[in-house]
Amino acid sequence: AQKITQTQPGMFVQEKEAVTLDCTYDTSDPSYGLFWYKQPSSGEMIFLIYQGSYDQQNATEGRYSLNFQKARKSANLVISASQLGDSAMYFCAMREGYSGGSNYKLTFGKGTLLTVNP
Amino acid sequence: KAGVTQTPRYLIKTRGQQVTLSCSPISGHRSVSWYQQTPGQGLQFLFEYFSETQRNKGNFPGRFSGRQFSNSRSEMNVSTLELGDSALYLCASARFSTDTQYFGPGTRLTVL
Repeated sequence: AQKITQTQPGMFVQEKEAVTLDCTYDTSDPSYGLFWYKQPSSGEMIFLIYQGSYDQQNATEGRYSLNFQKARKSANLVISASQLGDSAMYFCAMREGYSGGSNYKLTFGKGTLLTVNP
Repeated sequence: KAGVTQTPRYLIKTRGQQVTLSCSPISGHRSVSWYQQTPGQGLQFLFEYFSETQRNKGNFPGRFSGRQFSNSRSEMNVSTLELGDSALYLCASARFSTDTQYFGPGTRLTVL
C-alpha cells in the first residue's frame, strides 16, 4: 500500500489565486512528520513546510500553509496568492519513527505538477 | 550559509562502468541521505549516514554503496552500471537524523 498518496497529477491555477494540493498518508506510527517540497524544472528539491504529528496547530510559512487533518490522515498544502514562480512539481513526504526509531528516511508521494497561468 | 552541494552535476557513463557521486552538506549538518529519482519509480530512499555510520538503507542492490567522512561529506558509489541506473541522484543534509532535510541540486546520471 502506498504510504503517501497525491491524487492530483496536475493542477492549474490563475496567478494571485489560492490553490490546494492534496496529500493523504498511511502510517500506524503515532509519531511522524509530514513535509512538502517544491521541485522546479532545475531539479533541486526546496523545503516548504513541516507538520509534526503532535503539533496542535496547522503549520504556516509565508504564503504556504498546511491543512492538517489527523483523523482523516490528510496534509494538504495551501498556497495563497499564487505567483508565476510557483509553477513546479510539489511533493508530499512523510518520516516515520520520529519517536526514536531507526527509520529516518523520507517517503515521497508521486507529486503534483502545478502550473500558474498569468 | 551555503547550501548542499553535489558534484558533478551531470555525468554520462556506459553500462558496466562504475561512478562516484559526491555531496557536501550544509555546515554543521551531520546527517546525509541519498535518494534516487526516476520518472517511473519516483523518489526512492537509498541510504542515510550520520557521524560516518550508515543508519538506514533502502531497498537497492549491493551495487549501490556509500560512505561518510569525518567532515560529514558523503560519497555514493554505483558499480557495474545498468541502463536502469539513469536517474537524478539527490543528496539531503540535516542537523541530525530526525531534523528537516535540505536537498542539493542533484547529479543527473545517464547510463548509455
